[in-house]
Amino acid sequence: EDKVVQSPLSLVVHEGDTVTLNCSYEVTNFRSLLWYKQEKKAPTFLFMLTSSGIEKKSGRLSSILDKKELFSILNITATQTGDSAVYLCAVEGAIIIQGAQKLVFGQGTRLTINP
Amino acid sequence: DTEVTQTPKHLVMGMTNKKSLKCEQHMGHRAMYWYKQKAKKPPELMFVYSYEKLSINESVPSRFSPECPNSSLLNLHLHALQPEDSALYLCASSEDRGGGNTIYFGEGSWLTVV
Repeated sequence: EDKVVQSPLSLVVHEGDTVTLNCSYEVTNFRSLLWYKQEKKAPTFLFMLTSSGIEKKSGRLSSILDKKELFSILNITATQTGDSAVYLCAVEGAIIIQGAQKLVFGQGTRLTINP
Repeated sequence: DTEVTQTPKHLVMGMTNKKSLKCEQHMGHRAMYWYKQKAKKPPELMFVYSYEKLSINESVPSRFSPECPNSSLLNLHLHALQPEDSALYLCASSEDRGGGNTIYFGEGSWLTVV
């Protein structure tokens, strides 16, 4: 059975700190790994990773994938209170139907940034 | 434009009611999804439509009935729901590039069954 595990489940830091969120996975036929940020509504897309060792970067956020060790990390530098959210990792694998895909989500990491 | 629009944003319904959730996207995506999300849990896949045909039904009870009238619209018809069905219902869509596609989510419909 496909599985995605995120750690830590919860993290509280002070504004300005750097955080690293972890995502490990076991899926058949890995296609991609996605990171989402979820505040009080729908998940918003952050990154999609398909290749090992290539860092994706957007402002203070960056992410990298290791397909040999089956994990990904999401880094946030110089954190701000607006970064407080649940960060979801999802992996596309196993069943591929024409034009569609099945994502397996991790439990999420609840990040709280205190001023 | 990466917008998936869902209506209504909030819905309260009784256990004998019939209601529908609606979802619309104009990105030309040919795959559309319904997810259910309970509090403090990740989204769980319910249904996948690919090219307007139901491709995946994750053993969802028949009181949830999806419909895809055309490539831009996805509905979820609700009938005889239970209080435990109260959750955030998320619609999503993605392109057809044979995998490695980004799934874009709508803002969700908060459903409360009383």
